[in-house]
Amino acid sequence: EPEVTQTPSHQVTQMGQEVILRCVPISNHLYFYWYRQILGQKVEFLVSFYNNEISEKSEIFDDQFSVERPDGSNFTLKIRSTKLEDSAMYFCASKGTASYEQYFGPGTRLTVT
Amino acid sequence: GQQLNQSPQSMFIQEGEDVSMNCTSSSIFNTWLWYKQDPGEGPVLLIALYKAGELTSNGRLTAQFGITRKDSFLNISASIPSDVGIYFCAGRDNYGQNFVFGPGTRLSVLP
Repeated sequence: EPEVTQTPSHQVTQMGQEVILRCVPISNHLYFYWYRQILGQKVEFLVSFYNNEISEKSEIFDDQFSVERPDGSNFTLKIRSTKLEDSAMYFCASKGTASYEQYFGPGTRLTVT
Repeated sequence: GQQLNQSPQSMFIQEGEDVSMNCTSSSIFNTWLWYKQDPGEGPVLLIALYKAGELTSNGRLTAQFGITRKDSFLNISASIPSDVGIYFCAGRDNYGQNFVFGPGTRLSVLP
């Protein structure tokens, strides 16, 4: 069964450093998403991406964040200068065109020290 | 912004019991998704609902799209230990493609 994959599973970085989180969405999906989940809290929408551009973004997704689809399979989230409060699980999700069902990856745990 | 509430926040049940949880909103939604999340993993889609009043099952799980379109319910019958986890609802309104998530219901199943 096709699934969303994410790498790395855990990233530790120092405050101020740039990080890139990687996702491979399900192969025939065209809509891609990033979500954040701070430990013990709910899943929060960051950004949606379709047709090589951002469709919608939340207030969390400020100028420090960017997304890119560098090739036909990867979808990345870059945080330019990490802050302590960026520590969270980051989930990538994708969906096809036939429904609204979003499928999540296993997540990347980002720890900013 | 839109917010979803889920109740109960947490529940402890005996193995074999049935479980009911719900998700409510102050605004109307057109799509509801129910997810289960195990510790340290990503949410797994359980059920999708698209029409008011719709009742959809997935094995021992049954979810309903409330008639008012402001709520949704998830029932689990004959609970087993692997049902342990956090259950999230997510709703989409008529204006966007994206979903807002509820805070989750944490389910614990006692043997």
